[in-house]
Amino acid sequence: DAGVIQSPRHEVTEMGQEVTLRCKPISGHNSLFWYRQTMMRGLELLIYFNNNVPIDDSGMPEDRFSAKMPNASFSTLKIQPSEPRDSAVYFCASSLSAGGNTIYFGEGSWLTVV
Amino acid sequence: KNEVEQSPQNLTAQEGEFITINCSYSVGISALHWLQQHPGGGIVSLFMLSSGKKKHGRLIATINIQEKHSSLHITASHPRDSAVYICAAQAGGDKIIFGKGTRLHILP
Repeated sequence: DAGVIQSPRHEVTEMGQEVTLRCKPISGHNSLFWYRQTMMRGLELLIYFNNNVPIDDSGMPEDRFSAKMPNASFSTLKIQPSEPRDSAVYFCASSLSAGGNTIYFGEGSWLTVV
Repeated sequence: KNEVEQSPQNLTAQEGEFITINCSYSVGISALHWLQQHPGGGIVSLFMLSSGKKKHGRLIATINIQEKHSSLHITASHPRDSAVYICAAQAGGDKIIFGKGTRLHILP
């Protein structure tokens, strides 16, 4: 398996623009996670899905952030409008659910908002 | 107070030294994860444990459920072990709470 695949790997955008990050989880995994990593705050869970259903989105910073999982093999994280403070690395990860399973991370999407 | 605390925050050691990184958590967990993040940014899962001890090569992870404490040990450390090591507590369901990470630098 190719692992968790994220795109784009790097994105530089202007403040106010819409940003869409994409993730393809490992086939057969039914939990998908979106994380954000910054120097100041470290790794933070934004939202996670189980069987395509959002379970906990309490980590989503504000209404500018939205995430969808239309099917088991694809998820998006959208920021609209983007702001400089959204600059971070966004990781997608997947695992078999029911807790206590190894989590597999994508390589991250490095976002810079100028 | 963070729900997952790691120590030390930074650690520099000579090649060959025995390394210990500690993690304490205050939540009930289904599992405890140790992750490794190299300077390039990629995150790799090293261990997932819910009791006892696991060993993989020169890496050993232990957990004491009663004391809510886990340790990651590296024997015969090598410069390629230089990375950030992150402890993550898996609480109810799939929710993960991360420690701030320990930045390890092994000098040749």
